[in-house]
Amino acid sequence: AQTVTQSQPEMSVQEAETVTLSCTYDTSESDYYLFWYKQPPSRQMILVIRQEAYKQQNATENRFSVNFQKAAKSFSLKISDSQLGDAAMYFCAYRGGGADGLTFGKGTHLIIQP
Amino acid sequence: DTGVSQDPRHKITKRGQNVTFRCDPISEHNRLYWYRQTLGQGPEFLTYFQNEAQLEKSRLLSDRFSAERPKGSFSTLEIQRTEQGDSAMYLCATTPWTDTDTQYFGPGTRLTVL
Repeated sequence: AQTVTQSQPEMSVQEAETVTLSCTYDTSESDYYLFWYKQPPSRQMILVIRQEAYKQQNATENRFSVNFQKAAKSFSLKISDSQLGDAAMYFCAYRGGGADGLTFGKGTHLIIQP
Repeated sequence: DTGVSQDPRHKITKRGQNVTFRCDPISEHNRLYWYRQTLGQGPEFLTYFQNEAQLEKSRLLSDRFSAERPKGSFSTLEIQRTEQGDSAMYLCATTPWTDTDTQYFGPGTRLTVL
């Protein structure tokens, strides 16, 4: 079974600084997808960024980028120029090549210090 | 707002009662997923539908749980004989046939079993 591990229960960063959230996963599949989801307090979970395993190039979405290390099974999220609105729980998630549901990590609570 | 709605948003019930939750997907989203999220954890996959067909069920989905998606539109999740351990947030997510990699989450139904 696939597992997703987020080793940082909580991270704090100063506004405008850069922060990196860690995620590792375990799988025997070669075809899969990785995601970072953001869950603001009392609000809906939204997709931040996704990465297809077959793509070597790291995904980027504006201030959000990933460092995908397939051999190491590592998928970290970098948030540049942190903003107060980035404060939320961040979940790393895995999906196999089939139409399975997502496997989530336990999440990292990101605090933005003004 | 992702466009996925869930009803009710909060439900308080007594142990042993039956409860039913509803999820209304974004129009033309053919895949629908149910997840359960307990406090301090990431969501856990329960089941998913492609149109009206229920294609996968997690071992977390005990025989007290049943999900339906008549006509491939809205979906219901019923829990019979609720237990205190059922207290959680129940999330629905949907994907369009044009982009099966991206799940759009609803706001969830928070269930409290007394």
